[in-house]
Amino acid sequence: NAGVTQTPKFRVLKTGQSMTLLCAQDMNHEYMYWYRQDPGMGLRLIHYSVGEGTTAKGEVPDGYNVSRLKKQNFLLGLESAAPSQTSVYFCASSDTLTGAYEQYFGPGTRLTVT
Amino acid sequence: DQQVKQNSPSLSVQEGRISILNCDYTNSMFDYFLWYKKYPAEGPTFLISISSIKDKNEDGRFTVFLNKSAKHLSLHIVPSQPGDSAVYFCAASSNTGKLIFGQGTTLQVKP
Repeated sequence: NAGVTQTPKFRVLKTGQSMTLLCAQDMNHEYMYWYRQDPGMGLRLIHYSVGEGTTAKGEVPDGYNVSRLKKQNFLLGLESAAPSQTSVYFCASSDTLTGAYEQYFGPGTRLTVT
Repeated sequence: DQQVKQNSPSLSVQEGRISILNCDYTNSMFDYFLWYKKYPAEGPTFLISISSIKDKNEDGRFTVFLNKSAKHLSLHIVPSQPGDSAVYFCAASSNTGKLIFGQGTTLQVKP
């Protein structure tokens, strides 16, 4: 039982390049999320999904796209990377059995855009 | 606007003493509050939660207190251990499936 995994762990991009971050969970959770963490800003929600085939915008969605083609996977895309997207990205998933929506996080992807 | 705030960026306590981490919120529609712990180079891990209909929840050395009238919650760690040194995030949920996180407080427990 791996929980939530993220690929890659580190990446350096040049401005304007594109990339996709992959998140996978093996807990059969319906909900999945992408966050970014910046110093002093906490965790900010980029996009989320409440089920296979669905996506919705979070607090900071600009410059990112997502897809949830399979229940266990949630992809985050950067079409044209900018230095402002340098951050640590976390994926999470949650079940809906409790009202708390307790989320389980992956180990993170550290992205640097030069 | 910041709906969930942790006004203390850092806290340092001696091993064996109590650590108290604080969190304030503005949205009265939040119905669950959670605390997460994060070590460097790892993802956050769930620690403890509390429903808005309760004022206290305890799990071992960790207790969360909720004061709805003041829109304030706190996490007490007793006794504090060096392994508790980490960043602690509070978060709130309003039955939308989303969590709103505070900025985090870095706790250092000195041996």
